[in-house]
Amino acid sequence: EVQLVQSGPEVKKPGQSLNISCKGSGYGFSNYWIGWVRQMPGRGLEWVGIIYPGDSDTRYSPSFQGQVTISTDRSISTAYLQLSSLKASDTAIYYCARRISGYFPFDFWGQGTLVTVSS
Amino acid sequence: DIQMTQSPSTLSASVGDRVTITCRASQSISNLLAWYQQKPGKAPKVLIYQASTLEGGVPSRFSGSGSGTEFTLTISSLQPDDFATYYCQQYDGFSGLTFGGGTKVEIK
Repeated sequence: EVQLVQSGPEVKKPGQSLNISCKGSGYGFSNYWIGWVRQMPGRGLEWVGIIYPGDSDTRYSPSFQGQVTISTDRSISTAYLQLSSLKASDTAIYYCARRISGYFPFDFWGQGTLVTVSS
Repeated sequence: DIQMTQSPSTLSASVGDRVTITCRASQSISNLLAWYQQKPGKAPKVLIYQASTLEGGVPSRFSGSGSGTEFTLTISSLQPDDFATYYCQQYDGFSGLTFGGGTKVEIK
């Protein structure tokens, strides 16, 4: 059974950093891109970036370039989204999702991680 | 960046209605367009990809059409389980996997 299991909810103060993890199982982790998507409260979906665990090829949305870092540890089938210098506006649910190639969309999603940034 | 414009943003409909949602791309994306359904508190679920291919397990009342810059999602007969928010997404290249703004389908 394919699973993408994300780390639990986080509460952080402005200026802090955090790492969200996404562990894949039930499929060849290195063979699928893992993307990250943000959903601010009551808002739509925004693509953050994407990484290919096979070779760590990483792409970022221009809106998030420089604001986040995406990485992966193939040995434990886990991808990470690092958010630094957190602001209240980073409060959102962050989803990870996989895709096999550029000709296909995200076909399986993690359960989402709620990040709350508040002083 | 390719921009995706989805309309309407909200749609009120009754069970049994035929519902159509439109998505326009700011430039041609061939057929690299997906539709997702999202229910409150849940992750999105892909319904259709490559503009018109139904994902496995998705009811046949859902259909997609279009190519280039204009696309539609149609629900032929709205069911109670279909009240949700729908998003289109272009995936023509990795420079941007842009989502539309979403369409909330509400009970009339």
